Amino acid sequence: AQTVTQSQPEMSVQEAETVTLSCTYDTSESDYYLFWYKQPPSRQMILVIRQEAYKQQNATENRFSVNFQKAAKSFSLKISDSQLGDAAMYFCAYRSGDSNYQLIWGAGTKLIIKP
Amino acid sequence: EPEVTQTPSHQVTQMGQEVILRCVPISNHLYFYWYRQILGQKVEFLVSFYNNEISEKSEIFDDQFSVERPDGSNFTLKIRSTKLEDSAMYFCASSIHRGLTGELFFGEGSRLTVL
Repeated sequence: AQTVTQSQPEMSVQEAETVTLSCTYDTSESDYYLFWYKQPPSRQMILVIRQEAYKQQNATENRFSVNFQKAAKSFSLKISDSQLGDAAMYFCAYRSGDSNYQLIWGAGTKLIIKP
Repeated sequence: EPEVTQTPSHQVTQMGQEVILRCVPISNHLYFYWYRQILGQKVEFLVSFYNNEISEKSEIFDDQFSVERPDGSNFTLKIRSTKLEDSAMYFCASSIHRGLTGELFFGEGSRLTVL
């Protein structure tokens, strides 16, 4: 069975600086997808960024980028120029290429932005 | 911006009682999901629903659980006889497409407390 591990329960960063959130996963599949979701306090989870395993190029979305290391099964999220609005729980999630529905989630990392 | 809405935001019930959690997905979405998160644990997939039937369900989604889309707008999760271990945050999500192209949009969650 696939698992997703986020080893950092909490991270803090100074506003305007860069922070990297770690995610590792375990799978025997070659076709899969990886996601980072953000959940601000008392708000819904929203998709931050996604990566297809077959793509070598790391996904980027404005200030958010990933470092996808397929061989190492690592999928870290880098947030550049951190803003106060980035404060949230960040969840890493995995989806099998065979499953169109089921996301497997990490435990989450709470990101604190220091003004 | 369209949102997934969930009611109630918090429900307290006695063990053995039936509970219905309601969700209004985004209006043009076709795929619907329920996830749950027990306090301190990872988010877990429960079920997905398309074309008025269950597409995929997890081992958690046993005979005590059911879903339906009774009126074309609401998507409900029913727990027939609640147990203490059903206490969790329940998240509804919807997507317009299946698979990777179907970004999941989540509601804010319904917190269920079983006493």
